[in-house]
Amino acid sequence: DTGVSQDPRHKITKRGQNVTFRCDPISEHNRLYWYRQTLGQGPEFLTYFQNEAQLEKSRLLSDRFSAERPKGSFSTLEIQRTEQGDSAMYLCASSLGQGTNEQFFGPGTRLTVL
Amino acid sequence: GIQVEQSPPDLILQEGANSTLRCNFSDSVNNLQWFHQNPWGQLINLFYIPSGTKQNGRLSATTVATERYSLLYISSSQTTDSGVYFCAVLTGGTSYGKLTFGQGTILTVHP
Repeated sequence: DTGVSQDPRHKITKRGQNVTFRCDPISEHNRLYWYRQTLGQGPEFLTYFQNEAQLEKSRLLSDRFSAERPKGSFSTLEIQRTEQGDSAMYLCASSLGQGTNEQFFGPGTRLTVL
Repeated sequence: GIQVEQSPPDLILQEGANSTLRCNFSDSVNNLQWFHQNPWGQLINLFYIPSGTKQNGRLSATTVATERYSLLYISSSQTTDSGVYFCAVLTGGTSYGKLTFGQGTILTVHP
């Protein structure tokens, strides 16, 4: 049983560049979530998919952020024109969505914007 | 939105000591999870406990949903217990898919 995987684990980019992160949920989990965690804080919700439908987006998700889950399996999170304030750990989680909504997290992608 | 408060913010223990971490939340919840975040940032599931009491080895948790709090007990602490402990709650309605996290308790266990 493989857990949630994320790629890359670390990303260093220059301000203004675009970056894309990938998340592969636990197989058969139909719910997928993205969270962001800055230093010293708890994770904050960004967006949520049920299968391929994006059902909720946080106000934290500005127009520069876009997330997709095209076939209801893996998901991508893209940040355009990165800013230094985007530096954070980006966490992906998945849940089965039937009878239980316990969420399981991946190892995260640590983004540093120079 | 719902507020989640954890206490204490920091806790320092000697190996072998017991501890209690508390999580208060401001509204009724459908789900409550406790996590341990390791030094590499991975969130490890400890308990999924919307109500009642559960035990797993040296760890146990109790959630009293009617009084809006949850407790995490760590007995006979070990150095490997060090890290940040988060509680997170999930509410129903339009926010059904979202966990709201507390600020965490930083636990340091000395040998």
